[in-house]
Formats: sequence, C-alpha cells, structure tokens
Amino acid sequence: QVQLQQSGPGLVKPSQTLSLTCAISGDSVSSNDPAWNWIRQSPSGGLEWLGRTYYRSKWYNEYAVSVRSRITINPDTSKNQFSLQLNSVTPEDTAVYYCAREMSRAMNCWGQGTLVTVSS
Amino acid sequence: EIVMTQSPATLSVSPGERVTLSCRASQSISSYLAWYQQKPGQAPRLLIYGASTRATGIPARFSGSGSGTEFTLTISSLQSEDFAVYYCQQCNDWPLPTFGGGTKVEIK
Repeated sequence: QVQLQQSGPGLVKPSQTLSLTCAISGDSVSSNDPAWNWIRQSPSGGLEWLGRTYYRSKWYNEYAVSVRSRITINPDTSKNQFSLQLNSVTPEDTAVYYCAREMSRAMNCWGQGTLVTVSS
Repeated sequence: EIVMTQSPATLSVSPGERVTLSCRASQSISSYLAWYQQKPGQAPRLLIYGASTRATGIPARFSGSGSGTEFTLTISSLQSEDFAVYYCQQCNDWPLPTFGGGTKVEIK
C-alpha cells in the first residue's frame, strides 16, 4: 500500500522560501510508471496543480505557468522522497499543500496535506 | 488552459437519493477526466479516472460517464458518508492538469 508522508514548516515569512518534503513508502520515486506531484488548495477551496517530477530513463520536471519562475521540485532517490521549493512567497501562497502520486493521468494517492501560512 | 466548470456549486440531497453531478470542459478532453471526493480536513480521494473507471476500493454506487466536454458523476443511492465536496480534473492537456471548482453535496 502506497503512503505519502509530508513534512515541513507551517509558517513562512513573506519573500522567503517555502520548503516541503514528501516521503514515499510502498513505491519508488524512481519508478517508471508514476509521476510525483505537488498540488495546493487555497483557503476558498480551489485546487491548483503546481508541478511534478518523474523518471522515464531520465528525470523530467514540469511546472505550472503561474509559479514556473519560483518553483523547484526535486527527487531524492537516497531517501525515496521528493521536495517542493517555492521562492519569494507572498500571502497569496497561503494554502494547504499536498503531494500526490499520479498514475493513468489521475492522482491516486495523496499526502495528508500541510497548511502553509505566509505571514510575518 | 482548459477550464473546468462544475455544476451546481451546492446540492442538497437526502440519504438514499440518486445524485448527478456535472462537469464541463472548455474544450474537448476526450475521456481524460477524473473525479475526486474530499471530506473536511482530509485530502481528496480518487473516485473515477478515464471518465468511467472506478479507482481501487470505490463502491459500485459511484459511476462516471461522458466524453468530449460533458461529464457526469452519479451516486446511485447517497449514503451518509458520501456528503462531501466533489471535484473533477481534466488530464487531456497533459502535462497541465486543471481542476473544477467543486460541488458540495450537503444534507437536505
């Protein structure tokens, strides 16, 4: 059974970097089938896909246009996890952040979510 | 970007009733549509992918249909544990998935 366990701070100051990690059990970040995603949910409830990393003989990353200049998603094969870094955050980045495994173009396993508040 | 529109925003239903939720895409997405259920304080849970395939462990009372731009999620007989928010997500415009705004199913 695949499980995703998120970790990271719940409070980030404006202009600083948001960093979250998603530890994978029951699957491998290097598997050739799934992709590993970050998605956030605003306080009003809307879901926004941020980006993904995946391995298909080499590593690929794809990012949403809205955050492309500020985001990095990295796999860590030694720890079987992947991470999210979002730079230069503003209060508009306040949201619940989820990691998720994608297979057959659908998110079939989600982390527990991390509420990140951007505030001084 | 493909825009997903869900209707209605809120649906008031009694247990045991049949429920139909709608999702419309701004352009054709073939059958690349997923449905999720989200309860308060929980992550979304995948119900349906490929427009009509139930995910592992999802009860048969949940069914999905549609293709192109019009999609439907049907709950044949609403159970108490089904009161939640339901989201659709297009995955045709890969690699850029987008979600609908959600339909809240509440107790009448």
